[in-house]
Amino acid sequence: DIQMTQSPSTLSASVGDRVTITCRASQSIDNSLAWYQQKPGKAPKLLIYKASSLESGVPSRFSGTGSGTEFTLTISSLQPDDFATYFCQQFNTYWTFGQGTKVEIK
Amino acid sequence: QVQLVESGGGVVPPGRSLRLSCAASGFSFSLYAMHWVRQAPGKGLEWVAVISKDAANKNYADSVKGRFTISRDDSNKTLSVQMDSLRPEDTAVYYCARERGGSHAYFDYWGHGTLVTVSS
Repeated sequence: DIQMTQSPSTLSASVGDRVTITCRASQSIDNSLAWYQQKPGKAPKLLIYKASSLESGVPSRFSGTGSGTEFTLTISSLQPDDFATYFCQQFNTYWTFGQGTKVEIK
Repeated sequence: QVQLVESGGGVVPPGRSLRLSCAASGFSFSLYAMHWVRQAPGKGLEWVAVISKDAANKNYADSVKGRFTISRDDSNKTLSVQMDSLRPEDTAVYYCARERGGSHAYFDYWGHGTLVTVSS
């Protein structure tokens, strides 16, 4: 099974900050990685697919990079609506999620 | 617009069964593989099961294999999962999700989930 490890688990930041979340796969997954945003009581929302492709309608302050085993999600300037939990997901072999990164207000 | 609406959750004692459904609308349901994903209270996301667009292929997480059965009814645009021999660790919000076109892809639409609580 492919394991996905996200860091950090929690991130405290202020509006306007640049935020980076890392996701590491236990083996190479090429670019088979997606990022989701989830707010309390809500379904996850697709942000990034194939490691770096921005989903339609998602603000351009969100970006993704990486391939193989190391991936990052960056929010260039954190906005009030961005305080949420973010999950990575590999879809190379079955489907596995990272444990999540909660972005909270500093 | 694409909508996925889950139903069927509730409180059930350990060892009993429950059937969840997901009603799809706003897209050609028969053209998409569909998934169940769950989230235990305060925890992360766990993939549960997938059914291919033609229902020929089904796969399950090891944690539910042999106990859960995924199915689809394309005429009624409904995805289902039959959950037998439920355990307390199956307690979670269960989401249905659509897999974007193509094989082995990510999930572009999710329902809002239905809560299953396994407790005596």
